[in-house]
Amino acid sequence: DADVTQTPRNRITKTGKRIMLECSQTKGHDRMYWYRQDPGLGLRLIYYSFDVKDINKGEISDGYSVSRQAQAKFSLSLESAIPNQTALYFCATSDSTPNTEAFFGQGTRLTVV
Amino acid sequence: AQSVTQLDSQVPVFEEAPVELRCNYSSSVSVYLFWYVQYPNQGLQLLLKYLSGSTLVKGINGFEAEFNKSQTSFHLRKPSVHISDTAEYFCAVSDFGTSGSRLTFGEGTQLTVNP
Repeated sequence: DADVTQTPRNRITKTGKRIMLECSQTKGHDRMYWYRQDPGLGLRLIYYSFDVKDINKGEISDGYSVSRQAQAKFSLSLESAIPNQTALYFCATSDSTPNTEAFFGQGTRLTVV
Repeated sequence: AQSVTQLDSQVPVFEEAPVELRCNYSSSVSVYLFWYVQYPNQGLQLLLKYLSGSTLVKGINGFEAEFNKSQTSFHLRKPSVHISDTAEYFCAVSDFGTSGSRLTFGEGTQLTVNP
């Protein structure tokens, strides 16, 4: 089993619908992140959480919300999806040392029509 | 604030040729530097990282990178590429502060290795 699991892997939804992307990890890490990947833009940080009670906005948080249900679970919600939220979404985890690497899930490809 | 610029969006090369993928960064503080690789339909995987010490860093799959503080660069190199190296490569930075592994990524470089 993968260390960082994202569900669903692919999703097509309609404009205006609420959608939740889920992430779970078995690495025992405190820190979890949601990134969005767009062609030519690399990955951009949406939200991050350093522990269950700590949630922080990233550089592109507008239109998104998150929930840290447990140390191992971090979900991303689009309250009212719009077409320009069509992208590849990645969840990542890391431990609390600043020089550690981040471990990424396989990604969720979201299409908003 | 910090930023990363990958100077080439696409790099086509022939198999067994050398390759260099260029990365420049900007930061007002000291940083950690990373290269990640993304194979088709997969997540990102760490290739190598620079934290401190020797400026030449060796990673997996025969890749290496050199940290140049004066030029604020962290270019990735491989002396002889294989078809299987075809992937997208991302340079990233993380500062020394409380942001931990909150990474700032470059735009990505698509490496295509042709037979």
